[in-house]
Amino acid sequence: GAGVSQSPSNKVTEKGKDVELRCDPISGHTALYWYRQSLGQGLEFLIYFQGNSAPDKSGLPSDRFSAERTGGSVSTLTIQRTQQEDSAVYLCASSSTREINEKLFFGSGTQLSVL
Amino acid sequence: GNSVTQMEGPVTLSEEAFLTINCTYTATGYPSLFWYVQYPGEGLQLLLKATKADDKGSNKGFEATYRKETTSFHLEKGSVQVSDSAVYFCALKRSGATNKLIFGTGTLLAVQP
Repeated sequence: GAGVSQSPSNKVTEKGKDVELRCDPISGHTALYWYRQSLGQGLEFLIYFQGNSAPDKSGLPSDRFSAERTGGSVSTLTIQRTQQEDSAVYLCASSSTREINEKLFFGSGTQLSVL
Repeated sequence: GNSVTQMEGPVTLSEEAFLTINCTYTATGYPSLFWYVQYPGEGLQLLLKATKADDKGSNKGFEATYRKETTSFHLEKGSVQVSDSAVYFCALKRSGATNKLIFGTGTLLAVQP
């Protein structure tokens, strides 16, 4: 695709419900990253994929958070039993190779609101 | 650990004013440094980068110099425009790591005509 696509752009859910956030990276990009941007906070790293494997999951805040990537393309971030503190903008980024200092291309994010 | 600290905003300037947004970092080894920008309603995009000490990154009239002695990477522009209004993020990438970035909290810049 022309850019990194994320859906939905906005999601409102009730506390305790599960949500799935989708990221469609730029075609051919092997590396994919999830970040979280909370009000007043910087961008917090969540997880990194190279192909379908996730060598770095160190940023996932709890076991309620999980992510997968299939076919080396689309990724889904799942949050189970959502809590109000999960409210944030979830950003996805991709890059073309493992080349050092490769630029990241970001999507516009999913605004998650947990009521 | 590795971290980035940048000045809190918002920064409000008149058009054609000089801009400085301070950024300092803490890192082991020799990180690479970046500035990303987020325009209203758009995704983050790379503005400039520097990969070793004393390198200067530049783009669209913005500049930042990698200062290892002061662990800084301050963003500057000589004459800002209304179209520069955005949120600016300083970030670092650890040496030898993936392209995973560690970001600062972002600084909102508002340029008034």
